[in-house]
Amino acid sequence: LAKTTQPISMDSYEGQEVNITCSHNNIATNDYITWYQQFPSQGPRFIIQGYKTKVTNEVASLFIPADRKSSTLSLPRVSLSDTAVYYCLVGNNYGQNFVFGPGTRLSVLP
Amino acid sequence: DGGITQSPKYLFRKEGQNVTLSCEQNLNHDAMYWYRQDPGQGLRLIYYSQIVNDFQKGDIAEGYSVSREKKESFPLTVTSAQKNPTAFYLCASSLYAGQGYEQYFGPGTRLTVT
Repeated sequence: LAKTTQPISMDSYEGQEVNITCSHNNIATNDYITWYQQFPSQGPRFIIQGYKTKVTNEVASLFIPADRKSSTLSLPRVSLSDTAVYYCLVGNNYGQNFVFGPGTRLSVLP
Repeated sequence: DGGITQSPKYLFRKEGQNVTLSCEQNLNHDAMYWYRQDPGQGLRLIYYSQIVNDFQKGDIAEGYSVSREKKESFPLTVTSAQKNPTAFYLCASSLYAGQGYEQYFGPGTRLTVT
């Protein structure tokens, strides 16, 4: 199973770009990288998923270097409502690895 | 409105009692999951089901039981054998089982056992 490591917490200010990096040194060839967001007392919500290079959607970008041993979630111009816990998951459709580690607690300050 | 519903939102029980948490989805998803979350921690997988009438243990299945008699429903029973049942329980579903498929989560049930 690919283990992931993320910073426990990060602080940012409104309007800034936030980059959260996840390390996954033993990622397997057929593993995807997926990020979820969780607000207090709610279920996590899917943000973005990628396999390699760069993926962008309406809320975030995901940067994956060629060796795929890490990935970076980029949140452009964060607002107070982006204060949440962000989880990085690594796994594939063959193994049943649904491990949400402690995540990164992002606090956006005014 | 498609989605996952969990009921009740809050549940209180006395120690030694079994309790069943409800999870229903109308997304026509094959796979369903139950997670437990303790304060300040990530989610831990209790059980998952890839298809009707099939389910597999996750990392912390001891003291829990599930059934999957219908595609839409995946109830979780917290038995008296579960040593520390007080937690936030989350149900999720995905089109098929696998990390490549987005998981959709319900609002959760907060269980308190005293």
